[in-house]
Amino acid sequence: SAVISQKPSRDICQRGTSLTIQCQVDSQVTMMFWYRQQPGQSLTLIATANQGSEATYESGFVIDKFPISRPNLTFSTLTVSNMSPEDSSIYLCSVAGQLAKNIQYFGAGTRLSVL
Amino acid sequence: KQEVTQIPAALSVPEGENLVLNCSFTDSAIYNLQWFRQDPGKGLTSLLLIQSSQREQTSGRLNASLDKSSGRSTLYIAASQPGDSATYLCAVRPNGSSNTGKLIFGQGTTLQVKP
Repeated sequence: SAVISQKPSRDICQRGTSLTIQCQVDSQVTMMFWYRQQPGQSLTLIATANQGSEATYESGFVIDKFPISRPNLTFSTLTVSNMSPEDSSIYLCSVAGQLAKNIQYFGAGTRLSVL
Repeated sequence: KQEVTQIPAALSVPEGENLVLNCSFTDSAIYNLQWFRQDPGKGLTSLLLIQSSQREQTSGRLNASLDKSSGRSTLYIAASQPGDSATYLCAVRPNGSSNTGKLIFGQGTTLQVKP
């Protein structure tokens, strides 16, 4: 199993500002992902964080709004840019092995409220 | 487009009861299915992973079944305890190597076990 640490655990931000969320894993992992859980909704994949190259975004999510970094195999960041109240969600980091059969693990999430 | 539905949305049972949570998905072309537990402020915990070639998986008091052809999975919890109170999420992983990290989630069943 993998132990995933996310920072911050929660934050309250003003409209128009940006917040960077950090994800640290206790071991090297091939695949890292960022998910969003809007209030009352289930989880939706934002993007796959690729080590050493640009992230791969899902439909409806763009790099300008959610820039992602992954400098090595144990760390990634997600920035929520130019925030609006609609960005209020829980953002979760997730990791998995390269094989599709592998279990996927999730961090505790970052609870973001935008005023 | 794959859609995952969980019924019921909420469930309240007295301690000691056996219970079944249901998950259905619209596209049978899945690689595997994973059941998670979500506790407030603690992210997601993986409970059971069933590969598409498997019919069921068991862990302690938990048993998950998969009927891929009918697009259904069930999570059976035996002898429920108050500590089982949480939201249970079902997620499918679509076929295709490019979808390694993409899980499609249901909206969850919130379970309350009363002492």
